[in-house]
Amino acid sequence: EAQVTQNPRYLITVTGKKLTVTCSQNMNHEYMSWYRQDPGLGLRQIYYSMNVEVTDKGDVPEGYKVSRKEKRNFPLILESPSPNQTSLYFCASTPEGGKSFLDEQFFGPGTRLTVL
Amino acid sequence: DQQVKQNSPSLSVQEGRISILNCDYTNSMFDYFLWYKKYPAEGPTFLISISSIKDKNEDGRFTVFLNKSAKHLSLHIVPSQPGDSAVYFCAASADTGRRALTFGSGTRLQVQP
Repeated sequence: EAQVTQNPRYLITVTGKKLTVTCSQNMNHEYMSWYRQDPGLGLRQIYYSMNVEVTDKGDVPEGYKVSRKEKRNFPLILESPSPNQTSLYFCASTPEGGKSFLDEQFFGPGTRLTVL
Repeated sequence: DQQVKQNSPSLSVQEGRISILNCDYTNSMFDYFLWYKKYPAEGPTFLISISSIKDKNEDGRFTVFLNKSAKHLSLHIVPSQPGDSAVYFCAASADTGRRALTFGSGTRLQVQP
């Protein structure tokens, strides 16, 4: 079954305690990205990766890091979480190709993060 | 400033009737538009898309209309079913490089049996 998995699904942490949210896809997709969803704002892209070892900033990258050492994995790292990073996070993967390949973008189930 | 807006946070319709969800955008560089459906505790799932070279795309009960001059698109669901109850997001893309989508804030659709 084609899927994007995220772990953990729920996390409560404290300010400043480093954390990593993992994302893995089994579709051999080249492109992966992270979004955050906040009330009234929809989903906003944090970082994206066009392939292994190729990453770049999205619209709201401040306070986040990513890495892409393997094609299937794209972890999101919060080195020093702050309360304004409390949000619902989604990982997504997309195959290479033109616009219509956006139709094949898969989203993970989400990670709800609370930073106290 | 939000480039994709869904001005109706919620919509309630009767089963069997038409649901119309609206979306407005401001960025004239957007050339591809998608609708996603989201159930609680799940990620968004793709529903239907439309390229800016078209003004209508249909897939079963779902039809998306695009009015480029008005920078407006809408999703029609006919007939609506209780299983359609979910949050619907409109999204737009301006380039293929980032594969970035700009999302609206979503509309919660409730279909009453």
